[in-house]
Amino acid sequence: DGGITQSPKYLFRKEGQNVTLSCEQNLNHDAMYWYRQDPGQGLRLIYYSQIVNDFQKGDIAEGYSVSREKKESFPLTVTSAQKNPTAFYLCASCRGNRNQPQHFGDGTRLSIL
Amino acid sequence: GQQVMQIPQYQHVQEGEDFTTYCNSSTTLSNIQWYKQRPGGHPVFLIQLVKSGEVKKQKRLTFQFGEAKKNSSLHITATQTTDVGTYFCAGLNEKLTFGTGTRLTIIP
Repeated sequence: DGGITQSPKYLFRKEGQNVTLSCEQNLNHDAMYWYRQDPGQGLRLIYYSQIVNDFQKGDIAEGYSVSREKKESFPLTVTSAQKNPTAFYLCASCRGNRNQPQHFGDGTRLSIL
Repeated sequence: GQQVMQIPQYQHVQEGEDFTTYCNSSTTLSNIQWYKQRPGGHPVFLIQLVKSGEVKKQKRLTFQFGEAKKNSSLHITATQTTDVGTYFCAGLNEKLTFGTGTRLTIIP
């Protein structure tokens, strides 16, 4: 079945540590997105990529980094510069046209030890 | 920048009552999308509205897009326990901006 796979489902980070969240899709979608979800704040866009080897900052990119070396993969690194990383992270993808609906993965819940 | 607000933030209804969530954008939108997120789950696309004044129905759900393309609403008739979740609108202009969501709980 086609879909988006995020891993791990739960992740714990120590102070000063970088962690990487995985997002893989086999939908052949061009565009991929990373969102952060905090209670009562909806989804906030961290980074997005509309084509391989290209990505743009979203509304809350500080403390995060991404890469898009392959069409299927869009990993997100939460760096030690992100002082409040505890949140639910959602990856999404859609076809190249911005009018297309976004398909989401099951999310990764990141907590601080 | 573009902001999309939803009200109410929370709504508790008795099973069988109706429910409405409202979405307002600070800018005119190209289109608006609606998503539903079940507790512990991920957002799932419900529908997209494109035309000014457009109304679409999905069984007990009615979606409207305002004449000025700056607001939208989702109305659920005779709620059921399966309607529980958070409903998000997402407005498209230069980029897709998600609303703050309305969390619906049902009292059996």
